[in-house]
Amino acid sequence: GESVGLHLPTLSVQEGDNSIINCAYSNSASDYFIWYKQESGKGPQFIIDIRSNMDKRQGQRVTVLLNKTVKHLSLQIAATQPGDSAVYFCAEGGNFGNEKLTFGTGTRLTIIP
Amino acid sequence: EPEVTQTPSHQVTQMGQEVILRCVPISNHLYFYWYRQILGQKVEFLVSFYNNEISEKSEIFDDQFSVERPDGSNFTLKIRSTKLEDSAMYFCASSEELRAFFGQGTRLTVV
Repeated sequence: GESVGLHLPTLSVQEGDNSIINCAYSNSASDYFIWYKQESGKGPQFIIDIRSNMDKRQGQRVTVLLNKTVKHLSLQIAATQPGDSAVYFCAEGGNFGNEKLTFGTGTRLTIIP
Repeated sequence: EPEVTQTPSHQVTQMGQEVILRCVPISNHLYFYWYRQILGQKVEFLVSFYNNEISEKSEIFDDQFSVERPDGSNFTLKIRSTKLEDSAMYFCASSEELRAFFGQGTRLTVV
């Protein structure tokens, strides 16, 4: 069945360093991928998304890489700041607006001052 | 910036009681969703809603659950007879196309 999983449950990074959070997905039919940040007691906050016809997309301090050959997704955060500490979820979906998102289990990123 | 708003932020209810969780999606969005997150676990899809009807629902969304868009702005999730295992954070989300934006959630505690 479908599954979206994360390689590491926790990640600690020194402030100012870059971080990479990885995600594996198993549904090769997925056409859309999205990263969310969730702070304690809050809802998932959109970070960046990518469609399956792309392999890289950049935002402000964040980059998402998609490798469809090995069904792998990663989120790179440059020059990490204390405010980046949170749980990060990858999620996959289809190409139509009403399709559900299937979430991974999450990686807790801790930025060490 | 437009946001999805949910009320209440916290609801405590007795087992067997009915609860209604309320959401105001972003105004120009067409697609609406409910997800839930049991403490410490991943976010799980419950139901999607488009054009005044359910598009898809998960196996979690059984007969005790229902959704409604009673007017042009609100989107509600009703749990008819709550069970202890319904205790979770419930998130409403909306999207214009693919990018779903989530509310801050309602923490439901069933005692």
